[in-house]
Amino acid sequence: ELKVEQNPLFLSMQEGKNYTIYCNYSTTSDRLYWYRQDPGKSLESLFVLLSNGAVKQEGRLMASLDTKARLSTLHITAAVHDLSATYFCAVLNFGNEKLTFGTGTRLTIIP
Amino acid sequence: NAGVTQTPKFRVLKTGQSMTLLCAQDMNHEYMYWYRQDPGMGLRLIHYSVGEGTTAKGEVPDGYNVSRLKKQNFLLGLESAAPSQTSVYFCASSYSRDRGRTDTQYFGPGTRLTVL
Repeated sequence: ELKVEQNPLFLSMQEGKNYTIYCNYSTTSDRLYWYRQDPGKSLESLFVLLSNGAVKQEGRLMASLDTKARLSTLHITAAVHDLSATYFCAVLNFGNEKLTFGTGTRLTIIP
Repeated sequence: NAGVTQTPKFRVLKTGQSMTLLCAQDMNHEYMYWYRQDPGMGLRLIHYSVGEGTTAKGEVPDGYNVSRLKKQNFLLGLESAAPSQTSVYFCASSYSRDRGRTDTQYFGPGTRLTVL
């Protein structure tokens, strides 16, 4: 059974600082997704990582995938308040088309 | 395009009542999904469908039924609601992977359900 773990679960950081969210998963997969969710809202797709070594960047966010280590990272550069949200990673189970989500990282950016 | 829409947005039920949640998508996606989101537990898959007329169980299917009679619609039914089904329900849809297009799941706005 595929398990997906994120850490930290909660992250409070100052504006302008850098930090990384980690997503570990337990079985082989080479397709990983990152989503953002604002309070009371739906999930918004941020990145799709399709192969080992994949790196995607959008603004102050950069995601990477290491399929051998079964690890993805979401790096935040020079954080701004607008990035405050909950971030989820999700890993695809090949063969049954199911996504397994991590429990999320609640990020709060403090001015 | 409206994307993925869900009806209703909010609902309060009494234990034992039934209801149907409707999900509609206008992106011609093959796959559709129903998730529930509970505090501290991320999203858990209830049921999903890989095409019109097909459905399959997800991680937490008990107490729910689904139907996909049309490609653009995916219905989630609760036959006899229980307080444990109090949650936020999200519908999502995506292309299939074998079409060479991104299979990112796009989510609806959610339905907040309370069972008393």
